[in-house]
Amino acid sequence: NAGVIQTPRHKVTGKGQEATLWCEPISGHSAVFWYRQTIVQGLEFLTYFRNQAPIDDSGMPKERFSAQMPNQSHSTLKIQSTQPQDSAVYLCASSSGGSETLYFGSGTRLTVL
Amino acid sequence: QQQVRQSSQSLTVWEGETAILNCSYENSAFDYFPWYQQFPGEGPALLIAIRSVSDKKEDGRFTIFFNKREKNLSLHIKDSQPGDSATYFCAATASSGSWQLIFGSGTQLTVMP
Repeated sequence: NAGVIQTPRHKVTGKGQEATLWCEPISGHSAVFWYRQTIVQGLEFLTYFRNQAPIDDSGMPKERFSAQMPNQSHSTLKIQSTQPQDSAVYLCASSSGGSETLYFGSGTRLTVL
Repeated sequence: QQQVRQSSQSLTVWEGETAILNCSYENSAFDYFPWYQQFPGEGPALLIAIRSVSDKKEDGRFTIFFNKREKNLSLHIKDSQPGDSATYFCAATASSGSWQLIFGSGTQLTVMP
């Protein structure tokens, strides 16, 4: 079991460019979560899928951010027209049905120049 | 408005001492409280968790003390080791809700040898 896999580990974009972050949850886990981590804001919830369906996206900035889970083996977080304030570590986590334990990946560090 | 609050940004103890990390919360609906441990360059990992029906949970050197009336909890790390140096996040969720885990801002623990 390789754990939650996030790619790339690091991504550098120019202001206004698009960034797509990938997450492969633990096999068999039915829930996928996205969090953003910064020094100032800490760990912020972004969005959550269960059985590939979006359940709660209350933490997603309404413009420019979108998340999808096209199949049970991966989820993507897309940020359009990236801005310097989007610079953060984006963490993906998965959990099995009926369990509240989140298993986090190592994150993608996004730097927007 | 911070729903989960950790009173100390940082804490330093000597090897062998008991480290005490404090956390408080506002939402009475929260009933599950995990503590996550994070090392640099890694995602957070579940350390120990407690449900609101209990007032104490012990796992080896780690103990959570929970006070429902006061809406606070603490993580005690007995016989602290340099390898315990990490950031510790208190978190909370309401099991009956949408299952969004709310994190505190974290306490960076340093254990001096």
